Amino acid sequence: NAGVTQTPKFQVLKTGQSMTLQCAQDMNHNSMYWYRQDPGMGLRLIYYSASEGTTDKGEVPNGYNVSRLNKREFSLRLESAAPSQTSVYFCASSIGLAGDPGTQYFGPGTRLLVL
Amino acid sequence: AQSVTQLDSQVPVFEEAPVELRCNYSSSVSVYLFWYVQYPNQGLQLLLKYLSGSTLVKGINGFEAEFNKSQTSFHLRKPSVHISDTAEYFCAEGQGGSEKLVFGKGTKLTVNP
Repeated sequence: NAGVTQTPKFQVLKTGQSMTLQCAQDMNHNSMYWYRQDPGMGLRLIYYSASEGTTDKGEVPNGYNVSRLNKREFSLRLESAAPSQTSVYFCASSIGLAGDPGTQYFGPGTRLLVL
Repeated sequence: AQSVTQLDSQVPVFEEAPVELRCNYSSSVSVYLFWYVQYPNQGLQLLLKYLSGSTLVKGINGFEAEFNKSQTSFHLRKPSVHISDTAEYFCAEGQGGSEKLVFGKGTKLTVNP
């Protein structure tokens, strides 16, 4: 039982390059999330998916797109990376509102540096 | 809009001393409150949560928190800390009907020998 997995662990991009961050969970959770963590800023929600086929913007969605490919997988895409997107990205999942509200399970994170 | 304020960005303490990490929330409607912990180079994990009922909530690793509605606070306490408690701690708020959480900016707890 791996929980929430993220790939890659580290990535260096040049400004303007694109990339996709992958996330998968094996807990049969309904909801999935993408956050970014910056020093002194805490965690900020980028996008959220309440179920397969649905996505919703969070606090800082600009410059990102997401895909909820199936119940297990939720990917985050940077179409044209900018230095302001240098951050640590966390994927998380939760069972859903009817289950255990607020308990989210986090992946180990992806460290992204945009030069 | 919801907001969570963690009053201290860094808290240094000596081993076996008590510690309190402070958190204030903003919502005036039904609220869920959480503390998450992040050990170095790891993701976050749930420490404890308040959904309803008793205002004193006990979590893992000897931590507890008290929900105080009149002061809109949810402070985290531990009577005696260990070196292994060195981590960053995040307070978070959720609201009934939504799964989204709003996180505070975090408090770095450093336990010194």
